Amino acid sequence: GQNIDQPTEMTATEGAIVQINCTYQTSGFNGLFWYQQHAGEAPTFLSYNVLDGLEEKGRFSSFLSRSKGYSYLLLKELQMKDSASYLCAVDGSNDYKLSFGAGTTVTVRA
Amino acid sequence: DAGVIQSPRHEVTEMGQEVTLRCKPISGHNSLFWYRQTMMRGLELLIYFNNNVPIDDSGMPEDRFSAKMPNASFSTLKIQPSEPRDSAVYFCASSFVSRGGNQPQHFGDGTRLSIL
Repeated sequence: GQNIDQPTEMTATEGAIVQINCTYQTSGFNGLFWYQQHAGEAPTFLSYNVLDGLEEKGRFSSFLSRSKGYSYLLLKELQMKDSASYLCAVDGSNDYKLSFGAGTTVTVRA
Repeated sequence: DAGVIQSPRHEVTEMGQEVTLRCKPISGHNSLFWYRQTMMRGLELLIYFNNNVPIDDSGMPEDRFSAKMPNASFSTLKIQPSEPRDSAVYFCASSFVSRGGNQPQHFGDGTRLSIL
């Protein structure tokens, strides 16, 4: 089976930086995705990593280490609108199915 | 561009009734996924189709659930008979997959299902 772990909750202050870690144990690996989901809404795609290293996209960056089964999502210059759940998802079976972590609820405080 | 379109947005019905959820994927996408999301179990994959063919239905909870994709632009997820434990948000997602690599899945707004 697929095992994906991420913290349940994180709280940070507006303007700060938050790092959300994700560890995974899967039978294979064909890429890791991060999604953002606001309460009552659908998940929306943030980033994709398939090779080791850092992918930067504006205020959001995502890092992958395949040998360690580890990824993180870095949110910089936090804004109130960044309060949401962040889902780590792994294609661990090379058939384009995604296994999702339980999600990390980030609360941004003024 | 139109995203993934799901209907209805909300459904409230009594247990024992048949429920049909509908999904129109993004045009040009060749894969369609049905998910269920609850507080207890998170986001779970129920079934997915590639080129209208069911590839993996191992996530379908039991025989009361069935899904079809009669053409590239339409899919249904049916629950018959429905039970209170089926109450959840059901998402449909689509993507384009090829041997060349992975593409992100795009989610519809979901159907919030309540079985009384």
